[in-house]
Amino acid sequence: KAGVTQTPRYLIKTRGQQVTLSCSPISGHRSVSWYQQTPGQGLQFLFEYFSETQRNKGNFPGRFSGRQFSNSRSEMNVSTLELGDSALYLCASSPGDREVEQYFGPGTRLTVT
Amino acid sequence: AQSVTQLDSQVPVFEEAPVELRCNYSSSVSVYLFWYVQYPNQGLQLLLKYLSGSTLVESINGFEAEFNKSQTSFHLRKPSVHISDTAEYFCAVSEVGSGTYKYIFGTGTRLKVLA
Repeated sequence: KAGVTQTPRYLIKTRGQQVTLSCSPISGHRSVSWYQQTPGQGLQFLFEYFSETQRNKGNFPGRFSGRQFSNSRSEMNVSTLELGDSALYLCASSPGDREVEQYFGPGTRLTVT
Repeated sequence: AQSVTQLDSQVPVFEEAPVELRCNYSSSVSVYLFWYVQYPNQGLQLLLKYLSGSTLVESINGFEAEFNKSQTSFHLRKPSVHISDTAEYFCAVSEVGSGTYKYIFGTGTRLKVLA
């Protein structure tokens, strides 16, 4: 099976712009989670989607949003970008049933200038 | 709420020497425990997991971790490291029965294997 894929791998944006990141989970996986990784804050949970519904959400401002499509692909959107949003954004997928481990993609490196 | 502490931010060790990376957690409920490894410019790879049963879990590349409930620890060990083990290692917990996949991660330990 192909692993979790994320596009694009690298992105440079300017403050105030918005950005959309995409994640394709492993085939058959219904749960997709997003994490932000920064040197200062480490890995922080953003949100999780399961069967197109947001099932859990971390402590991030409303500028961070996401959605999941019927084919389980997920997108994450950040509006009004700030310098502090520069990070590696990781997507993880899981079957969504009794299997509890997550499988991570390579991430999207977002740089905000 | 859960929290994870990885006390050592960096661990240098010579090749073929043993290593232990420490992980302690705090939780008022039962948790699942994981170790992930991250190589430069890559995502996280699952190294091993503790879900239930035997408290000693092993990975295919020689790492092992032991769940100690009384000490709320899940330390990662390897008896003999290789240069290729140089990476960042993350400990994570997930609440049992929560119905979601929210992981709480530690701050990571950079393992540097020296020749």
